[in-house]
Amino acid sequence: TQLLEQSPQFLSIQEGENLTVYCNSSSVFSSLQWYRQEPGEGPVLLVTVVTGGEVKKLKRLTFQFGDARKDSSLHITAAQPGDTGLYLCAGVKRSQGNLIFGKGTKLSVKP
Amino acid sequence: DAGITQSPRHKVTETGTPVTLRCHQTENHRYMYWYRQDPGHGLRLIHYSYGVKDTDKGEVSDGYSVSRSKTEDFLLTLESATSSQTSVYFCAISDSGASYGYTFGSGTRLTVV
Repeated sequence: TQLLEQSPQFLSIQEGENLTVYCNSSSVFSSLQWYRQEPGEGPVLLVTVVTGGEVKKLKRLTFQFGDARKDSSLHITAAQPGDTGLYLCAGVKRSQGNLIFGKGTKLSVKP
Repeated sequence: DAGITQSPRHKVTETGTPVTLRCHQTENHRYMYWYRQDPGHGLRLIHYSYGVKDTDKGEVSDGYSVSRSKTEDFLLTLESATSSQTSVYFCAISDSGASYGYTFGSGTRLTVV
């Protein structure tokens, strides 16, 4: 059973469109992180959210942590080809010390 | 740059041979991790270290061992490589544990034939 479910698995959009990626769980997390991974490279941390209801913005990217700290979303406004990549969410449970990763959303933004 | 390097970047080895992958950091971070990434499974933790000579098992540790004799180096050994261990292996480092995120290396693509 996957602890963190990401949806959609694949997303192909045109430049300029908006999109939202979801990360859901039945478990509570003490913190949740989003990473972006490009082909042939390791994941790169985008943001960490720790408080239920927290919203963080990183230029055109908006991250939200659910009130109950069981889910998160990533919204991209006016997507650009440079946003193409694999987006991973990862959570830390209080009962475990390590990061648990979702399987990722593969985003392709076409010019 | 984050100061984490993995070697080799690519390796092809035969079934039954031992293989060692190296992760080297220049950040003096306490925590180091080994993950494998496979289609359909995502990133799964193999082993991790919380200090020199302090290591523990992760989710998929069978067939793997690790050693950390210095802060900067974390070695992953496949004792007798099998085809199921064909994967991309990532090392990650952290100063304060999982809560504030990891810095990942660029990965080692291992093929066992």
